[in-house]
Parts: sequence; C-alpha cells; structure tokens
Amino acid sequence: DSGVTQTPKHLITATGQRVTLRCSPRSGDLSVYWYQQSLDQGLQFLIQYYNGEERAKGNILERFSAQQFPDLHSELNLSSLELGDSALYFCASSVSGQSSYEQYFGPGTRLTVT
Amino acid sequence: GENVEQHPSTLSVQEGDSAVIKCTYSDSASNYFPWYKQELGKRPQLIIDIRSNVGEKKDQRIAVTLNKTAKHFSLHITETQPEDSAVYFCAASNEASARQLTFGSGTQLTVLP
Repeated sequence: DSGVTQTPKHLITATGQRVTLRCSPRSGDLSVYWYQQSLDQGLQFLIQYYNGEERAKGNILERFSAQQFPDLHSELNLSSLELGDSALYFCASSVSGQSSYEQYFGPGTRLTVT
Repeated sequence: GENVEQHPSTLSVQEGDSAVIKCTYSDSASNYFPWYKQELGKRPQLIIDIRSNVGEKKDQRIAVTLNKTAKHFSLHITETQPEDSAVYFCAASNEASARQLTFGSGTQLTVLP
C-alpha cells in the first residue's frame, strides 16, 4: 500500500458524459501528478499540482481539467467523454523537495466509456 | 521534451536466470531515473531508482546502472523468480519539467518455472 488513495476504483459511463476522479496523496506530500495509462499510449503524464497550484501540464486534453484543494486532495474532471478516453487513470504523490523525487502511485481508477 | 525508449518489449527467462532491461533517454537535463513494476490491473510500484550523480545502485536482487554520457540506463534482476513476472517501466525526470515522469513503453517479463 503506497498511502495514496483514489476513488472510485471503477467507473462506467456513456459518451458525452462528465466524471470526476478523486485522489488523496500520502500524508505530508504536497505534489500530485495525474497519469493516463491506455493500451496504445502507455503511461502518459497529464498534469501536476503542487500545494494547490498547477505546476506543469502534459498531454492533457482541453476537455480535462484538475484542481488541488486546501487539504491537498486532487480531482481530475473529464468532460464530453469519448470512447478513446477509456483508460486507467493514476495519481501519484511526491514530497517534491530538493532531496526527494520519488513518486508513489495510487491504485488507479479504471474508466470505461461506452 | 524528454523521450524514453525501452527494450525489449517482451522478455522470457528461466527461473534463476538474470534479466536485463535497457532504456535510453534524450534530454541531458534529466537526472532522476526510477523503475516501476506493474502487475496486471495494479498500480506501478517503485522498485529502485538512481540519480545522475551515481553510476550504479543495488538492492538485493535488483540493480540499476546509469551511463550519463551515452544517456542510457538498465535494470538488472538476478536469480529471477516467478513472482518477478510483471511489466517493468523505466522513466526519467528533471527539474525543468517539474519532475513529471516520462515513461518508456514497458517490458513484459515472464519468468518460466
């Protein structure tokens, strides 16, 4: 158990819908990273938040957005869902200090768009 | 941006043999290289990592080597066991990209009993 939690574990929804994925980082970690894992694209970085502020963006679609709240949990919002959005979505947390680069992954949310 | 290539994509070894997985990276600013093990349907699990100021790091049966000049790093697993069977991912990160991980495409390791 990495200490990172994600809910829900599974999500099945229809095209055009909107969903919210939730992540709680390890105690003391200020950074949250979101990654998407699909069969054809592998593991890809989406977006990072550090202590409530967006720090970096990767290959994140405009239909996707995220935020990090004062209690440091983060939510990833996916809207106007398409079949190709079906994937495993992981969050990872890190202390993000000068001496600590390790990222620990949560169990993931499996999203199925039908 | 960073690009990480990983080889081979599949690897089968006999139990007790060694396994080696290789990765190359493109961005010379990258200075942190973790390896993750992912079992089917589970989270990527950090198994070992190395920083650019170190050439080799060992942890029991696993070791990672880094060649900064050639921009490649490798995972070595000795005395493989069936429970080592999984997908292994290498990754690279640097300060300029806020420590986001750029992953290789993964290696499916199968240890045959």
